[in-house]
Amino acid sequence: AQTVTQSQPEMSVQEAETVTLSCTYDTSESDYYLFWYKQPPSRQMILVIRQEAYKQQNATENRFSVNFQKAAKSFSLKISDSQLGDAAMYFCAYRSFLNNAGNMLTFGGGTRLMVKP
Amino acid sequence: EAQVTQNPRYLITVTGKKLTVTCSQNMNHEYMSWYRQDPGLGLRQIYYSMNVEVTDKGDVPEGYKVSRKEKRNFPLILESPSPNQTSLYFCASSTSGLADDNEQFFGPGTRLTVL
Repeated sequence: AQTVTQSQPEMSVQEAETVTLSCTYDTSESDYYLFWYKQPPSRQMILVIRQEAYKQQNATENRFSVNFQKAAKSFSLKISDSQLGDAAMYFCAYRSFLNNAGNMLTFGGGTRLMVKP
Repeated sequence: EAQVTQNPRYLITVTGKKLTVTCSQNMNHEYMSWYRQDPGLGLRQIYYSMNVEVTDKGDVPEGYKVSRKEKRNFPLILESPSPNQTSLYFCASSTSGLADDNEQFFGPGTRLTVL
């Protein structure tokens, strides 16, 4: 079974600065997907970024980028130019390449990000 | 608008009183799942369904039941709720197509408190 670990329960960043959230995972599979989800106070789960394990290039979405290290099983999220609206709980998640268990996502415990004005 | 809906959004109940949380999606998705979210544990899958009348246990199925009689609906049933089922619950759906295309769509969540 796969596991996902987020070792930082809480992080804080100054507005306009850059912050990196850490995530490590364990799997015996060679093909899989990794995700970062944002959960604001509204509780809605919002997909921030996705990485396919077979792609060498790190995914980027505007101010959000990842550092995917497949050999080290590490998947960190970098938020540049942090904004007050970035304050939320962030979850790292893993999904197998196969459509098993209804595309089940395995989540880390989450990191609460606070943004200071 | 493509969406997953859940009802109710908030529920306070007492131990042993049967309840159902409804979930409906309008995207014609084959796959549907229920997750529960607890502090420090993230979201964990309770049950999933890969099509009508096809359901199976996820990682934390104890104390829950589901049914999938129609493609769009996937209710979560707690026949005898207990305080340890106090949690935030999410329904999610996705297609069964190519792996690259089958993003999970989440409902808005249901906050359940069992006294």
